[in-house]
Amino acid sequence: AIRMTQSPSSFSASTGDRVTITCRASQGISSYLAWYQQKPGKAPKLLIYAASTLQSGVPSRFSGSGSGTDFTLTISCLQSEDFATYYCQQYYSYPMITFGQGTRLEIK
Amino acid sequence: QVTLRESGPALVKPTQTLTLTCTFSGFSLSTSGMCVSWIRQPPGKALEWLARIDWDDDKYYSTSLKTRLTISKDTSKNQVVLTMTNMDPVDTATYYCARALSGGSCYPLGYWGQGTLVTVSS
Repeated sequence: AIRMTQSPSSFSASTGDRVTITCRASQGISSYLAWYQQKPGKAPKLLIYAASTLQSGVPSRFSGSGSGTDFTLTISCLQSEDFATYYCQQYYSYPMITFGQGTRLEIK
Repeated sequence: QVTLRESGPALVKPTQTLTLTCTFSGFSLSTSGMCVSWIRQPPGKALEWLARIDWDDDKYYSTSLKTRLTISKDTSKNQVVLTMTNMDPVDTATYYCARALSGGSCYPLGYWGQGTLVTVSS
Protein backbone atom coordinates (compact mmCIF):
# COMPACT_ATOMS: atom_id res chain seq x y z
CA ALA A 1 0.00 0.00 0.00
CA ILE A 2 1.11 3.54 -0.67
CA ARG A 3 2.06 5.29 2.54
CA MET A 4 1.39 9.00 2.96
CA THR A 5 3.54 10.92 5.45
CA GLN A 6 2.65 14.44 6.52
CA SER A 7 4.88 16.94 8.23
CA PRO A 8 4.71 18.43 10.66
CA SER A 9 2.26 16.38 12.71
CA SER A 10 1.21 19.51 14.54
CA PHE A 11 2.27 23.09 14.90
CA SER A 12 1.02 26.43 16.09
CA ALA A 13 0.69 29.62 14.12
CA SER A 14 -0.94 33.01 14.32
CA THR A 15 -3.68 34.57 12.25
CA GLY A 16 -2.17 36.27 9.26
CA ASP A 17 0.70 33.79 9.00
CA ARG A 18 1.58 31.91 5.86
CA VAL A 19 1.79 28.20 6.56
CA THR A 20 2.84 25.18 4.55
CA ILE A 21 2.07 21.54 5.20
CA THR A 22 3.99 18.82 3.41
CA CYS A 23 2.80 15.40 2.28
CA ARG A 24 5.11 12.74 0.90
CA ALA A 25 4.02 9.55 -0.84
CA SER A 26 6.02 6.35 -0.52
CA GLN A 27 5.90 6.00 -4.31
CA GLY A 28 4.92 8.21 -7.21
CA ILE A 29 1.23 9.09 -7.39
CA SER A 30 1.30 11.59 -10.25
CA SER A 31 -1.18 14.29 -9.22
CA TYR A 32 -3.75 11.99 -7.64
CA LEU A 33 -3.70 13.83 -4.36
CA ALA A 34 -6.41 15.55 -2.33
CA TRP A 35 -6.35 17.71 0.78
CA TYR A 36 -9.07 17.75 3.40
CA GLN A 37 -9.77 19.99 6.37
CA GLN A 38 -11.40 18.54 9.46
CA LYS A 39 -12.70 20.40 12.47
CA PRO A 40 -13.53 18.70 15.78
CA GLY A 41 -16.67 16.62 15.61
CA LYS A 42 -17.12 17.25 11.89
CA ALA A 43 -16.62 15.25 8.74
CA PRO A 44 -13.62 16.04 6.54
CA LYS A 45 -14.13 18.75 3.95
CA LEU A 46 -12.49 18.55 0.55
CA LEU A 47 -10.24 21.54 -0.11
CA ILE A 48 -8.04 20.62 -3.04
CA TYR A 49 -7.91 17.75 -5.50
CA ALA A 50 -5.67 16.75 -8.38
CA ALA A 51 -2.89 18.22 -6.22
CA SER A 52 -3.67 21.83 -7.09
CA THR A 53 -7.33 22.25 -8.07
CA LEU A 54 -9.27 24.30 -5.57
CA GLN A 55 -12.66 22.86 -4.72
CA SER A 56 -15.56 25.19 -5.42
CA GLY A 57 -16.28 27.53 -2.53
CA VAL A 58 -12.88 27.11 -0.86
CA PRO A 59 -11.13 30.44 -0.21
CA SER A 60 -8.30 31.31 -2.56
CA ARG A 61 -5.85 31.62 0.35
CA PHE A 62 -5.62 27.82 0.12
CA SER A 63 -3.38 26.39 -2.57
CA GLY A 64 -1.79 23.08 -3.38
CA SER A 65 1.23 22.05 -5.40
CA GLY A 66 3.41 19.10 -6.23
CA SER A 67 3.41 15.90 -8.23
CA GLY A 68 5.04 12.52 -8.02
CA THR A 69 5.92 12.01 -4.37
CA ASP A 70 6.09 15.47 -2.79
CA PHE A 71 3.15 17.78 -2.22
CA THR A 72 2.37 20.91 -0.25
CA LEU A 73 -0.71 22.66 1.05
CA THR A 74 -0.24 26.37 1.64
CA ILE A 75 -2.52 28.76 3.46
CA SER A 76 -1.40 32.24 2.50
CA CYS A 77 -2.94 34.25 5.32
CA LEU A 78 -4.31 32.26 8.21
CA GLN A 79 -7.78 33.06 9.39
CA SER A 80 -9.30 31.98 12.68
CA GLU A 81 -11.54 29.48 10.93
CA ASP A 82 -8.51 27.71 9.42
CA PHE A 83 -7.37 26.21 12.69
CA ALA A 84 -8.15 22.56 12.15
CA THR A 85 -6.56 19.24 11.20
CA TYR A 86 -5.51 18.72 7.60
CA TYR A 87 -5.20 15.39 5.80
CA CYS A 88 -3.69 14.49 2.48
CA GLN A 89 -5.06 11.50 0.59
CA GLN A 90 -3.79 9.67 -2.47
CA TYR A 91 -6.15 8.11 -4.98
CA TYR A 92 -3.54 6.82 -7.39
CA SER A 93 -3.71 3.23 -6.10
CA TYR A 94 -7.27 2.86 -7.31
CA PRO A 95 -9.51 1.55 -5.78
CA MET A 96 -7.70 1.59 -2.44
CA ILE A 97 -6.98 5.04 -1.11
CA THR A 98 -4.80 6.06 1.81
CA PHE A 99 -4.65 9.12 4.01
CA GLY A 100 -1.80 10.84 5.74
CA GLN A 101 -1.68 10.84 9.52
CA GLY A 102 -2.91 14.41 9.70
CA THR A 103 -1.45 17.79 10.60
CA ARG A 104 -3.03 19.63 13.49
CA LEU A 105 -2.84 23.40 13.13
CA GLU A 106 -3.32 25.25 16.41
CA ILE A 107 -3.48 28.87 17.40
CA LYS A 108 -0.27 30.27 18.84
CA GLN B 1 -28.35 18.26 -3.42
CA VAL B 2 -26.23 15.30 -2.38
CA THR B 3 -26.55 14.15 1.21
CA LEU B 4 -25.42 11.03 3.05
CA ARG B 5 -26.28 9.88 6.54
CA GLU B 6 -24.88 6.99 8.52
CA SER B 7 -26.92 5.02 11.02
CA GLY B 8 -26.29 2.07 13.27
CA PRO B 9 -25.67 1.08 16.86
CA ALA B 10 -23.64 3.37 19.06
CA LEU B 11 -22.42 0.47 21.19
CA VAL B 12 -21.47 -3.07 20.28
CA LYS B 13 -19.89 -5.81 22.32
CA PRO B 14 -16.61 -7.49 21.46
CA THR B 15 -16.98 -10.36 18.97
CA GLN B 16 -20.33 -9.01 17.74
CA THR B 17 -21.05 -8.04 14.16
CA LEU B 18 -21.55 -4.36 13.35
CA THR B 19 -24.05 -3.34 10.71
CA LEU B 20 -24.02 0.25 9.47
CA THR B 21 -26.32 1.82 6.93
CA CYS B 22 -25.59 4.78 4.71
CA THR B 23 -28.76 6.41 3.42
CA PHE B 24 -28.19 8.93 0.67
CA SER B 25 -30.10 11.30 -1.55
CA GLY B 26 -29.38 13.48 -4.55
CA PHE B 27 -27.97 10.70 -6.70
CA SER B 28 -28.60 7.12 -7.66
CA LEU B 29 -26.15 4.30 -7.16
CA SER B 30 -27.52 2.73 -10.32
CA THR B 31 -26.06 5.58 -12.37
CA SER B 32 -22.95 4.63 -14.29
CA GLY B 33 -19.79 5.77 -12.55
CA MET B 34 -21.28 6.23 -9.10
CA CYS B 35 -19.69 4.72 -6.01
CA VAL B 36 -19.89 4.99 -2.23
CA SER B 37 -17.03 4.45 0.20
CA TRP B 38 -16.82 3.82 3.93
CA ILE B 39 -14.06 5.42 5.99
CA ARG B 40 -13.47 5.30 9.71
CA GLN B 41 -11.58 7.39 12.24
CA PRO B 42 -10.64 6.20 15.74
CA PRO B 43 -10.83 8.96 18.34
CA GLY B 44 -7.90 11.33 17.89
CA LYS B 45 -6.47 9.32 15.02
CA ALA B 46 -6.29 9.42 11.26
CA LEU B 47 -8.79 8.45 8.60
CA GLU B 48 -8.80 4.90 7.27
CA TRP B 49 -10.56 3.80 4.09
CA LEU B 50 -12.54 0.59 4.57
CA ALA B 51 -14.54 -0.35 1.51
CA ARG B 52 -16.23 0.83 -1.65
CA ILE B 53 -19.16 -0.31 -3.75
CA ASP B 54 -19.73 0.79 -7.30
CA TRP B 55 -22.81 1.30 -9.45
CA ASP B 56 -22.18 -2.03 -11.20
CA ASP B 57 -21.94 -3.84 -7.84
CA ASP B 58 -18.15 -4.13 -7.93
CA LYS B 59 -16.84 -4.19 -4.37
CA TYR B 60 -13.45 -3.32 -2.94
CA TYR B 61 -12.06 -3.76 0.56
CA SER B 62 -9.16 -2.65 2.69
CA THR B 63 -6.52 -5.35 2.50
CA SER B 64 -6.08 -5.43 6.27
CA LEU B 65 -9.81 -5.77 7.00
CA LYS B 66 -10.99 -7.67 3.97
CA THR B 67 -11.86 -10.85 5.83
CA ARG B 68 -14.18 -8.98 8.22
CA LEU B 69 -16.00 -6.60 5.89
CA THR B 70 -18.97 -6.94 3.60
CA ILE B 71 -20.45 -4.06 1.63
CA SER B 72 -23.75 -4.16 -0.21
CA LYS B 73 -26.29 -1.81 -1.71
CA ASP B 74 -30.02 -1.49 -2.03
CA THR B 75 -30.55 0.78 -4.98
CA SER B 76 -34.30 1.00 -4.47
CA LYS B 77 -33.80 2.35 -0.95
CA ASN B 78 -30.76 4.51 -1.77
CA GLN B 79 -28.77 2.69 0.88
CA VAL B 80 -25.35 1.12 1.27
CA VAL B 81 -24.76 -1.32 4.10
CA LEU B 82 -21.42 -2.20 5.68
CA THR B 83 -21.01 -5.13 8.02
CA MET B 84 -17.92 -5.77 10.10
CA THR B 85 -17.58 -9.04 11.95
CA ASN B 86 -15.76 -9.91 15.15
CA MET B 87 -15.69 -6.38 16.55
CA ASP B 88 -12.90 -5.44 18.93
CA PRO B 89 -12.32 -2.39 21.12
CA VAL B 90 -9.71 -1.17 18.61
CA ASP B 91 -12.57 -0.83 16.12
CA THR B 92 -14.02 1.98 18.21
CA ALA B 93 -14.27 4.84 15.76
CA THR B 94 -16.46 7.29 13.92
CA TYR B 95 -17.61 5.64 10.71
CA TYR B 96 -18.29 7.78 7.65
CA CYS B 97 -19.79 7.08 4.27
CA ALA B 98 -18.77 9.31 1.40
CA ARG B 99 -19.20 9.90 -2.31
CA ALA B 100 -16.98 11.32 -4.99
CA LEU B 101 -17.06 14.97 -5.92
CA SER B 102 -18.51 14.11 -9.30
CA GLY B 103 -19.98 11.11 -11.07
CA GLY B 104 -17.75 9.12 -13.37
CA SER B 105 -14.97 8.91 -10.82
CA CYS B 106 -14.95 7.49 -7.31
CA TYR B 107 -12.43 9.95 -5.89
CA PRO B 108 -11.76 12.46 -4.45
CA LEU B 109 -14.45 12.31 -1.79
CA GLY B 110 -16.46 15.46 -2.06
CA TYR B 111 -19.53 14.50 -0.07
CA TRP B 112 -19.47 13.01 3.41
CA GLY B 113 -22.03 11.96 5.95
CA GLN B 114 -21.81 13.44 9.42
CA GLY B 115 -20.40 10.19 10.79
CA THR B 116 -21.59 7.80 13.45
CA LEU B 117 -19.54 6.94 16.52
CA VAL B 118 -19.36 3.24 17.30
CA THR B 119 -17.93 2.16 20.63
CA VAL B 120 -16.89 -1.43 21.18
CA SER B 121 -17.08 -2.38 24.81
CA SER B 122 -18.44 -5.12 27.00
